[in-house]
Formats: sequence, structure tokens, C-alpha cells
Amino acid sequence: DVKVTQSSRYLVKRTGEKVFLECVQDMDHENMFWYRQDPGLGLRLIYFSYDVKMKEKGDIPEGYSVSREKKERFSLILESASTNQTSMYLCASSTPSGRVYEQYFGPGTRLTVT
Amino acid sequence: DQQVKQNSPSLSVQEGRISILNCDYTNSMFDYFLWYKKYPAEGPTFLISISSIKDKNEDGRFTVFLNKSAKHLSLHIVPSQPGDSAVYFCAAVSGNTPLVFGKGTRLSVIA
Repeated sequence: DVKVTQSSRYLVKRTGEKVFLECVQDMDHENMFWYRQDPGLGLRLIYFSYDVKMKEKGDIPEGYSVSREKKERFSLILESASTNQTSMYLCASSTPSGRVYEQYFGPGTRLTVT
Repeated sequence: DQQVKQNSPSLSVQEGRISILNCDYTNSMFDYFLWYKKYPAEGPTFLISISSIKDKNEDGRFTVFLNKSAKHLSLHIVPSQPGDSAVYFCAAVSGNTPLVFGKGTRLSVIA
């Protein structure tokens, strides 16, 4: 079974803090993704990576950065958290050689910025 | 510019009846379509998919229909069960690019 884990289920941070959200997958997947989910807005892609040390901007990268030093780990960084970054953050992974296009999601991190 | 649209934010259905969730897309390059199901406080889980070369795919109580000329797909759940109550996301993809998701439809199955 594919497992995608996220470091925290719930997180509360203050405005201006630097926030790290960690994601680890155990299936040797090449592709990893970060989304945020907000009511009425669905799943919006923040950043993705197709290989170690590689990153691509998604639809809403402003205010975020990412790091992928190892294949299994993809970190999302909020350089200076703001209240409009309060959201559910979802990490996903996939492989182009597996069941085509299917992305496996982690349980999500509910981040509240006060 | 929304490439994948789910125009119904919510849907209520009685237990045992059919649930039909709809999805429209605008990008004719999409060649694969997926449905994900999401419970509160959990990540989305893959439900069913369909390639653009097919018009129907069935998996137990779940069937997805694709109408390429209309750029429309639908998910049918028969019979609907209370455990099907969740948010359903339609997604589309072209090649090895990230999935493009719709905004979701919240399905409530009433016992």
C-alpha cells in the first residue's frame, strides 16, 4: 500500500513565523505535489516536483517555497506566514510508470495562522 | 480560467437512489479523467478513472461516463449509501502533468 505521511495533522502558527510542512512517501515515487484546499475553491496546486532538487510552480506559488533534497521527502515552506494562508494543505505523490496518473494523497495538515 | 468545472457545489440524494455528479472541461488536450472522494479531515482517495478513448468505465456501484464531444463526464453511484456522503472531485490530465481538479461537489446521502 502506498503511504504518504505529513508531519502534522493540525498546526497553529503566528503571523510572520516561518512554517515548515513535511511530506514523506514510501513508494519511491518520482512525482510529488503540494495543494491547498479551501471551501468553494477546491484543490489548488502550489508547487510540484518531478525529481530530486527539481521544482515547478503551480497555480498559486506566491508566499510559498519548496525543497526536495531526497526523493521521498518534499517540504513546503511558508517564509512568513499570513492569515490568508490558513488552510488545509495536502501532499500527494505519483509515478509515471505506475497506475497511470493516479495521485496518492496524505491525510492533510490543517494550518491556522493567527 | 477554470479548465475543470463542477457546477453543483452540493447534492442530496436518498439512500438507495442514484447519485449523478457532473463535470465539464474546456481543454481538449485532456486525455485522462479521474474522480476522487474526500472525507473531512482526510486526504482525497482515488475512486475511478476513464481514458479519453473510452466512453464508460464501471467499478461496482460506480460508473463514469465520458462524452468527449460535449466535454462532459459524469459519475453515477447506484445504489447510493450513507457512507458515500463526501466531497467528490473531478480531475483531468494531459500527459505527465499535474492533475487539474474541479472545485468539488458535496454529496449527502440521506437515510
